[in-house]
Amino acid sequence: DADVTQTPRNRITKTGKRIMLECSQTKGHDRMYWYRQDPGLGLRLIYYSFDVKDINKGEISDGYSVSRQAQAKFSLSLESAIPNQTALYFCATSDFLGGETQYFGPGTRLLVL
Amino acid sequence: QKEVEQDPGPLSVPEGAIVSLNCTYSNSAFQYFMWYRQYSRKGPELLMYTYSSGNKEDGRFTAQVDKSSKYISLFIRDSQPSDSATYLCALILTGGGNKLTFGTGTQLKVEL
Repeated sequence: DADVTQTPRNRITKTGKRIMLECSQTKGHDRMYWYRQDPGLGLRLIYYSFDVKDINKGEISDGYSVSRQAQAKFSLSLESAIPNQTALYFCATSDFLGGETQYFGPGTRLLVL
Repeated sequence: QKEVEQDPGPLSVPEGAIVSLNCTYSNSAFQYFMWYRQYSRKGPELLMYTYSSGNKEDGRFTAQVDKSSKYISLFIRDSQPSDSATYLCALILTGGGNKLTFGTGTQLKVEL
């Protein structure tokens, strides 16, 4: 089984809808991250969490929120989706000692109509 | 100006060629330098990392860092079709809390 899983893998939604993307990991890592990937812009950090009680904004947090339900679970919400949030979303994890190595999930492809 | 610049390609080479992929950066506080490989419809995976100027070799791959020029490179020797992927450089600032700053990625295709 994959160490970092993301659900759903693909999602089509309409403008104004609330959606949640979920991430689970079995690596036992404390640190978790959410990125979005857009052509020509690369990967950009949305939010990150260093432990269950820690949530931090990344480079592009506007329009997004997160919840760290447990060490292994980190979810990303779009409260009111808009078309320019159409992108590929990745969850990643790392541990304290090997923090420069991040392990990525397979991604969620989101289309907002 | 972006903090990290990377030519998006696409770069197409014949099998067996030596490939050179490059990134430049503007902030001298970047301390850790990584290369991730991303296959189509997959998440990125770490290929190599280094935290000092000079070369680091791993099989057919060599990572090179020149801090004085703010320039990092990844060389692939004897390239194979299985090397076809997008290669992203990623950098971490000193005291940056392990937050990665990515280049946009270079798409590489190795042709038979």
